Amino acid sequence: GEDVEQSLFLSVREGDSSVINCTYTDSSSTYLYWYKQEPGAGLQLLTYIFSNMDMKQDQRLTVLLNKKDKHLSLRIADTQTGDSAIYFCAAGGAGANNLFFGTGTRLTVIP
Amino acid sequence: NAGVTQTPKFRVLKTGQSMTLLCAQDMNHEYMYWYRQDPGMGLRLIHYSVGEGTTAKGEVPDGYNVSRLKKQNFLLGLESAAPSQTSVYFCATHSLGPLSNQPQHFGDGTRLSIL
Repeated sequence: GEDVEQSLFLSVREGDSSVINCTYTDSSSTYLYWYKQEPGAGLQLLTYIFSNMDMKQDQRLTVLLNKKDKHLSLRIADTQTGDSAIYFCAAGGAGANNLFFGTGTRLTVIP
Repeated sequence: NAGVTQTPKFRVLKTGQSMTLLCAQDMNHEYMYWYRQDPGMGLRLIHYSVGEGTTAKGEVPDGYNVSRLKKQNFLLGLESAAPSQTSVYFCATHSLGPLSNQPQHFGDGTRLSIL
């Protein structure tokens, strides 16, 4: 399987931008995803990017992909207290059993 | 508007006991998955199903069995529970489409403790 790595913790002040980073090992990964998990809940698909894209923006969320370095980032603009959660990066290719998750980054937003 | 419903939400078992976790979805999705989530680790795929009557092994299938007799239900069974199976279990689903290979809708999880 693939290794997907993320830092475990990130703290930011309300109103600042948050940047959550992720690296993966399999250069053939076609699909790259960001999920959000709030306490006591399942994962919520936030956004995704295909490997033939460099950037994707969706309201306050910006995903950047550096395919050469196998590095993915999620930027949250104007971070709010409601953004406090665990964010998971996932990478994979075609096939229902071909998706691998990172360990998750716990984002804490300080009022 | 239930989406993906997992039952039970919590359970404590003794080593050697058996139980079944139920995942029910009302979205008519073809694909269903069972994952486990452990501290400091990402989700790991246990088993999955690409349609009614079909199941397949994921990354960590040992000690688990599954069945998909009805399209809307995906059952995860533990025949003889072990402490190493203490975890939070998530069911996920998706339909065919642009993101056709990856889970999009998750249940709220089943927290299982094996003593």
